[in-house]
Amino acid sequence: GENVEQHPSTLSVQEGDSAVIKCTYSDSASNYFPWYKQELGKRPQLIIDIRSNVGEKKDQRIAVTLNKTAKHFSLHITETQPEDSAVYFCAASRQTGANNLFFGTGTRLTVIP
Amino acid sequence: NAGVTQTPKFQVLKTGQSMTLQCAQDMNHNSMYWYRQDPGMGLRLIYYSASEGTTDKGEVPNGYNVSRLNKREFSLRLESAAPSQTSVYFCASSGGTGLNQPQHFGDGTRLSIL
Repeated sequence: GENVEQHPSTLSVQEGDSAVIKCTYSDSASNYFPWYKQELGKRPQLIIDIRSNVGEKKDQRIAVTLNKTAKHFSLHITETQPEDSAVYFCAASRQTGANNLFFGTGTRLTVIP
Repeated sequence: NAGVTQTPKFQVLKTGQSMTLQCAQDMNHNSMYWYRQDPGMGLRLIYYSASEGTTDKGEVPNGYNVSRLNKREFSLRLESAAPSQTSVYFCASSGGTGLNQPQHFGDGTRLSIL
């Protein structure tokens, strides 16, 4: 099955700086890569996703890049704010009807005011 | 529009007891999923249902059973709870047209087995 590795496990940045979280995956058939944000005690919420037919996608301060050859993808958050503090999960899945996701182990991001 | 609703939110069980976690979605999604979340391990898929009438095992199905009652509801049952099943359980759903539709999660059930 798919194996998704995520680094770093914890990340602290100063407010206004950028944060980068990286993930690698093992299954070359995976072609959908979402990122979820989970605040303490809350549900995971989708913040951005990318499909294998594109290399980069942006949504305001958030961007995701994908390198299918190297089998890795990254989340970039610019101009970080204290409300960005949360645990972020990457995931990968194949193109199937059920869209089963394989998650990374999460990155706890702390933005220091 | 509530999205994905899970009940109960919290539960404490004794080893060997059974219980059913309930999940319902009102987004007319075809696919539904059950995950468990443990510290340092991310979310792991227990069972999923690609469509009404079908269920399949995920990564960690041992000790669990599921029922896709109808298109809206997907329940998870622990027949004989064990301390290793102490976890936060999330239900999710996905659907719509096209492949790889995003999954939407419920608020979770925090389950403790003593």
